Amino acid sequence: GNSVTQMEGPVTLSEEAFLTINCTYTATGYPSLFWYVQYPGEGLQLLLKATKADDKGSNKGFEATYRKETTSFHLEKGSVQVSDSAVYFCALIRTKTSYDKVIFGPGTSLSVIP
Amino acid sequence: NAGVTQTPKFRILKIGQSMTLQCTQDMNHNYMYWYRQDPGMGLKLIYYSVGAGITDKGEVPNGYNVSRSTTEDFPLRLELAAPSQTSVYFCASSRPPEESREDTQYFGPGTRLTVL
Repeated sequence: GNSVTQMEGPVTLSEEAFLTINCTYTATGYPSLFWYVQYPGEGLQLLLKATKADDKGSNKGFEATYRKETTSFHLEKGSVQVSDSAVYFCALIRTKTSYDKVIFGPGTSLSVIP
Repeated sequence: NAGVTQTPKFRILKIGQSMTLQCTQDMNHNYMYWYRQDPGMGLKLIYYSVGAGITDKGEVPNGYNVSRSTTEDFPLRLELAAPSQTSVYFCASSRPPEESREDTQYFGPGTRLTVL
């Protein structure tokens, strides 16, 4: 079946450190891939997305590249800030006509310390 | 726009009690969803609706009911609360996939429910 696997957290980094959060997926066909961010006490917000192989999604200094050969969509940021402390969810939609089929990973908690 | 709003923010229930979690969106979205978020488990879809009067089960519907009498509102009902329903509940909405350029769902802030 379809699934999303993320690296286990929590992840703790110092400000300005490099961030990588690994995400791999299992899906039939050609899913769209997403990263959502959840700040403390809030709901999820879309951070970035990629809809086909080799696409790079980017937003707020975060990037992720859709790698079909390795079925991965790793999230990266070159220099994290304290304000990036949040939980990050990798997700996929197997088909653009089925929003009920969104599959979320378990989330990775990130804490950035000054 | 307020986006997606949920009430209450927190609630403690006793086993067997009932309650309704409220969800309202002001973006005129046809699609609405209820998820539960358990620690380390990601989000699981409970129910969803593609428009007023139309609802369907998601991955974990047992113990819950929904209704969709208007485009704006999508309440979630727990009839006989059980400890296994302790979770954080998120409501979300979106435009139909074929209409949306953004392919995203908009989430409410969540309701933290504890059943004792």
